Amino acid sequence: DTAVSQTPKYLVTQMGNDKSIKCEQNLGHDTMYWYKQDSKKFLKIMFSYNNKELIINETVPNRFSPKSPDKAHLNLHINSLELGDSAVYFCASSLGEGTGELFFGEGSRLTVL
Amino acid sequence: AQSVTQPDIHITVSEGASLELRCNYSYGATPYLFWYVQSPGQGLQLLLKYFSGDTLVQGIKGFEAEFKRSQSSFNLRKPSVHWSDAAEYFCAVGDSNYQLIWGAGTKLIIKP
Repeated sequence: DTAVSQTPKYLVTQMGNDKSIKCEQNLGHDTMYWYKQDSKKFLKIMFSYNNKELIINETVPNRFSPKSPDKAHLNLHINSLELGDSAVYFCASSLGEGTGELFFGEGSRLTVL
Repeated sequence: AQSVTQPDIHITVSEGASLELRCNYSYGATPYLFWYVQSPGQGLQLLLKYFSGDTLVQGIKGFEAEFKRSQSSFNLRKPSVHWSDAAEYFCAVGDSNYQLIWGAGTKLIIKP
């Protein structure tokens, strides 16, 4: 059983399209995150949810909208995709906000053409 | 401003040789420190962490790291690397708001 699973693993799409990435964790964790990793492997946190409530919302364009239907799921919807959105997006979870011990999914590689 | 520096973008080590990956941080208070590993095509996995106490911490896969407050460092070591250790390694520090500040990563290349 995969602890943190993301779908799809790969997305290739045209500029201007809208896409979603889904994430589910079966660890019983309270906190979930979305990270963006660029081509140079730099990791940037985008959002963090604790028990379905948004607790971190870094400076990302409002074309990115997270949604947490329950504490086991955190989805990411991206509107009007741009070339610069091409990256690997990682979902992660942790037991609580302050542990620093994150469990990551395998990533979703988004390519915008 | 809080920051994490991994001075080496990539390091090449022969299989069986020892390894040390450097990490320096800038943080006012006592930091929480972490090392994560990212194997090719995979997500990140926690190797080890330092919160307090013994400054030499043991992690998974035979890795250890030593916290040196005087040098603001948290270097990762392994006595003998295996080809399966080839990966990207990330150092991170947890700040007062419980956010992780990440280093840029060091790519470890293993020579046969």
